[in-house]
Amino acid sequence: EPEVTQTPSHQVTQMGQEVILRCVPISNHLYFYWYRQILGQKVEFLVSFYNNEISEKSEIFDDQFSVERPDGSNFTLKIRSTKLEDSAMYFCASSLDTRIGATQYFGPGTRLLVL
Amino acid sequence: GENVEQHPSTLSVQEGDSAVIKCTYSDSASNYFPWYKQELGKGPQLIIDIRSNVGEKKDQRIAVTLNKTAKHFSLHITETQPEDSAVYFCAACDKVIFGPGTSLSVIP
Repeated sequence: EPEVTQTPSHQVTQMGQEVILRCVPISNHLYFYWYRQILGQKVEFLVSFYNNEISEKSEIFDDQFSVERPDGSNFTLKIRSTKLEDSAMYFCASSLDTRIGATQYFGPGTRLLVL
Repeated sequence: GENVEQHPSTLSVQEGDSAVIKCTYSDSASNYFPWYKQELGKGPQLIIDIRSNVGEKKDQRIAVTLNKTAKHFSLHITETQPEDSAVYFCAACDKVIFGPGTSLSVIP
């Protein structure tokens, strides 16, 4: 069964450094998402992406964040200058379409720790 | 925006008993309500969903009920098994706005 994959599984970085989290969505999916989950808290929507542009973003997704689909298979989340509060689990998801009720398939997540 | 609340935050049941998790939402325009199960170290996985045009949906040991008037929906797990132990998230609308999660522990 096709699945969303994410790399790395864990990343430790110094405050102020740039990090890039990578995701490979399911191959025929067209819509891509990033979510984050701070330890012990709910999963929060960050951004959705379609047709090579951001379709929606939350207030968490400020100028420090960017997303890119550099080729036909990868979808990346970049944090330009990490802060301590960026420490969280980051989940990528993809869906075939964006109609209400279209299932989003989640990757296993990348655990980011900012020191 | 949509606000989703979920109760209880933790739940322990004996194996074989039923578990019920309840969620409320604020936006009356929401019409899609998925439930996700998150096992330790993994991403959320969809287990069941319901749309606003039905009041109940069942899939083997899992069922979801929806009361649009009261703006609440519930997940019911019958004959619980240890492998049901996980964190369960309800969600509303199309951006998957998650509730805070319920940690379910099934005691063998």
